[in-house]
Amino acid sequence: EVQLLESGGGLVQPGGSLRVSCAASGFTFSSYAMGWVRQAPGKGLEWVSIISGSGAGTYYTDSVKGRFTISRDNSKNTLYLQMSSLRAEDTAVYYCAKRDLIFGVVIVWGQGTLVTVSS
Amino acid sequence: EIVMTQSPATLSVSPGERATLSCRASQSVSSNLAWYQQKPGQVPRLLLYGASTRATGTPARFSVSGSGTDFTLTISSLQSEDFAVYYCQQCNSWPWTFGQGTKVEI
Repeated sequence: EVQLLESGGGLVQPGGSLRVSCAASGFTFSSYAMGWVRQAPGKGLEWVSIISGSGAGTYYTDSVKGRFTISRDNSKNTLYLQMSSLRAEDTAVYYCAKRDLIFGVVIVWGQGTLVTVSS
Repeated sequence: EIVMTQSPATLSVSPGERATLSCRASQSVSSNLAWYQQKPGQVPRLLLYGASTRATGTPARFSVSGSGTDFTLTISSLQSEDFAVYYCQQCNSWPWTFGQGTKVEI
């Protein structure tokens, strides 16, 4: 069974840093691009970042460029999102996402981890 | 960035009725569009993508039409489990973007 399990969310002060992780199982992790989608409380969905299967290619939405870094460790089947210079508007549930091989759609979602940026 | 606009924001329907949800892109996304369903307190679930591909487990009562900038998700006969928020998402160009959602309620 394919599973994505996020961890690392929590409360952080504005300007602070946090790293969230996603442990994957049940599929050949290195064969799939992976990403992060977030959802602010009571709001819609937003693609944050995506990384290729090898890790060589990374993309970010404009609002997080220069502040967030996506990475992966294929030996550990784990995806990461390092977040710095956090702002109140980054408060959201962060979902780990497995991307379809062809289309840029999420075929498997993690349960999400809540990141709250507040003083 | 391609802006996705969904209408209506809320759709009130009765079980057994047909529901029609719209999604418009600010520029052409060809057939590179997906629809997701999210129930309260749950993770989103992929329903359909591409021209007409159903994700695993998506019932046949869900169908899509359209290409370019205008798309429609149709639920032919609403079941109780279909009351949820539906999001469209374009995957034609990065950043992939979602619509703001349509809530289907009784």
